[in-house]
Amino acid sequence: AQSVTQPDIHITVSEGASLELRCNYSYGATPYLFWYVQSPGQGLQLLLKYFSGDTLVQGIKGFEAEFKRSQSSFNLRKPSVHWSDAAEYFCAVGARQAGTALIFGKGTTLSVSS
Amino acid sequence: EAGVTQFPSHSVIEKGQTVTLRCDPISGHDNLYWYRRVMGKEIKFLLHFVKESKQDESGMPNNRFLAERTGGTYSTLKVQPAELEDSGVYFCASSPSLTGGIEQFFGPGTRLTVL
Repeated sequence: AQSVTQPDIHITVSEGASLELRCNYSYGATPYLFWYVQSPGQGLQLLLKYFSGDTLVQGIKGFEAEFKRSQSSFNLRKPSVHWSDAAEYFCAVGARQAGTALIFGKGTTLSVSS
Repeated sequence: EAGVTQFPSHSVIEKGQTVTLRCDPISGHDNLYWYRRVMGKEIKFLLHFVKESKQDESGMPNNRFLAERTGGTYSTLKVQPAELEDSGVYFCASSPSLTGGIEQFFGPGTRLTVL
């Protein structure tokens, strides 16, 4: 069955510390991979995506993610967290064609402590 | 360029009542998707329109849910009659034509509470 697992429901990180959010997927073939972020009262905003090529992808707001095919993982990282990064983060996968449904993980809520 | 908009932002209704959610996609986007997040669960796909046609409605939970996209512009999702388990956040997303890109652009969601 196709699925996305985000093992951490809630993470708290000190401001300025590094962050890694984990994402593993189960899919028939290598999918397209996405990370979305939802801040309170906002919609889902795309942070970054992986389609092909370099397995380390850069996104907005200083985030990056690394695709590891052998581990079926697409972990999100940021070297130094800012208080404004507090939000809920979703990993998602989709088939390698336009117009198909995305499959989401349950999300990881990030809290940032001062 | 305006993003995907959804109305209302919140809705609180009694069990058995009817609610209609509306989504306005980004202008020119042929693809429109509905997703739902029940509390504590994943965001799950409900259905996909290409222009005014339903391309995939495999995620619709039952026949109490009716989605339309008249004229290929905005879409409505009606729940009739609403049940307690329908509570959650309903997201709409849109994307360009099938040759225009993979990324789906999401709206802020409608939070539905059924009492």
